[in-house]
Amino acid sequence: AQTVTQSQPEMSVQEAETVTLSCTYDTSESDYYLFWYKQPPSRQMILVIRQEAYKQQNATENRFSVNFQKAAKSFSLKISDSQLGDAAMYFCAYLDSNYQLIWGAGTKLIIKP
Amino acid sequence: EAQVTQNPRYLITVTGKKLTVTCSQNMNHEYMSWYRQDPGLGLRQIYYSMNVEVTDKGDVPEGYKVSRKEKRNFPLILESPSPNQTSLYFCASIPWGQNTDTQYFGPGTRLTVL
Repeated sequence: AQTVTQSQPEMSVQEAETVTLSCTYDTSESDYYLFWYKQPPSRQMILVIRQEAYKQQNATENRFSVNFQKAAKSFSLKISDSQLGDAAMYFCAYLDSNYQLIWGAGTKLIIKP
Repeated sequence: EAQVTQNPRYLITVTGKKLTVTCSQNMNHEYMSWYRQDPGLGLRQIYYSMNVEVTDKGDVPEGYKVSRKEKRNFPLILESPSPNQTSLYFCASIPWGQNTDTQYFGPGTRLTVL
């Protein structure tokens, strides 16, 4: 069974600095999708970035980028120029061939002004 | 506007009183799913549906029922709620084919069972 692990329960970063959130996963599949979701205090799930496993190029969305290492089964999220509005829970998730989304436990990101 | 809606957003109830949380999507998606979110555990899938009249259990189906009588609606039913079902619930949907990699989430339902 697939699993997703986020080893950092909480991270903090100074405003305008860069922070990297870690995520590893375990799977025997070769084709899948990976996601980072943001959950602010409103509890809404917001898609931050997605990566297709067959694409070698790392996905980028403005200040958010990923470091996807397929062989190592690693999928970290880098947030550049951190802003106060980035403070939230961040979840890493894996979409399997049955369209089931497997979630990590989450990382709470604190932004220090 | 493409969206997934859930009702109610907040609910406090007592043990054993049957309740239904509704979920509706306006995007004509085939696949819909229910998750619960608990602290330190991320989201866990309760039930999912591949299409009308097709439903299957996820990781934590005990104590829940679902139905899919029409494509747009996927209600979650708690026949006899218990305190361990106190949680935050999310409904989600995915289209087949284009953009299959993206799940659309509802705003969440905060349920408290006393």
